[in-house]
Amino acid sequence: GQQLNQSPQSMFIQEGEDVSMNCTSSSIFNTWLWYKQDPGEGPVLLIALYKAGELTSNGRLTAQFGITRKDSFLNISASIPSDVGIYFCAGKSNTGNQFYFGTGTSLTVIP
Amino acid sequence: DARVTQTPRHKVTEMGQEVTMRCQPILGHNTVFWYRQTMMQGLELLAYFRNRAPLDDSGMPKDRFSAEMPDATLATLKIQPSEPRDSAVYFCASGSHPGQGSRNEKLFFGSGTQLSVL
Repeated sequence: GQQLNQSPQSMFIQEGEDVSMNCTSSSIFNTWLWYKQDPGEGPVLLIALYKAGELTSNGRLTAQFGITRKDSFLNISASIPSDVGIYFCAGKSNTGNQFYFGTGTSLTVIP
Repeated sequence: DARVTQTPRHKVTEMGQEVTMRCQPILGHNTVFWYRQTMMQGLELLAYFRNRAPLDDSGMPKDRFSAEMPDATLATLKIQPSEPRDSAVYFCASGSHPGQGSRNEKLFFGSGTQLSVL
């Protein structure tokens, strides 16, 4: 099945720094979702996007729906140790049944 | 908070044994997905149900895997016979699909079943 290209694959940052990651697809999507997964748990939905250009925040997290509808971005401001985890993007078209997932970005925050 | 409930959380079994994983979707959700997660392959879609009807199970090995929704509150994924290569974390996810082209579709995951086949 289709996989989205998510980058970077991993990040090691100092506490307090900002984080940026992105997800690209070869297909146009109408829905983008961003998730965080902690070890031993399922992915938890962070932000949902439904319109090209849309910018949505959830606390220190901000995600954008790319205007080409083939990409999406997630930013985390002022990172803290509990931000550690794997972040996944997921995209879906209105004509499709399934969500396609990115390969994940592993975030490590150094205190 | 409403959540997707999966049982068991962990399962260790021997090769050849039958494994059944259960999922209770969020009340009112009409779509259910089964995913398998491994380090090598990431999240792979195994099966997809809408309004309890199977719409897509192309990602599932048909000879040993089966997925059903006997009612709106229960989805099952069965492996018979199990093999070591089936070792992975299996996730169930549920969502709402009001119709084609509709906004606000989201997907919520359970905590997963970690399966080890020896």
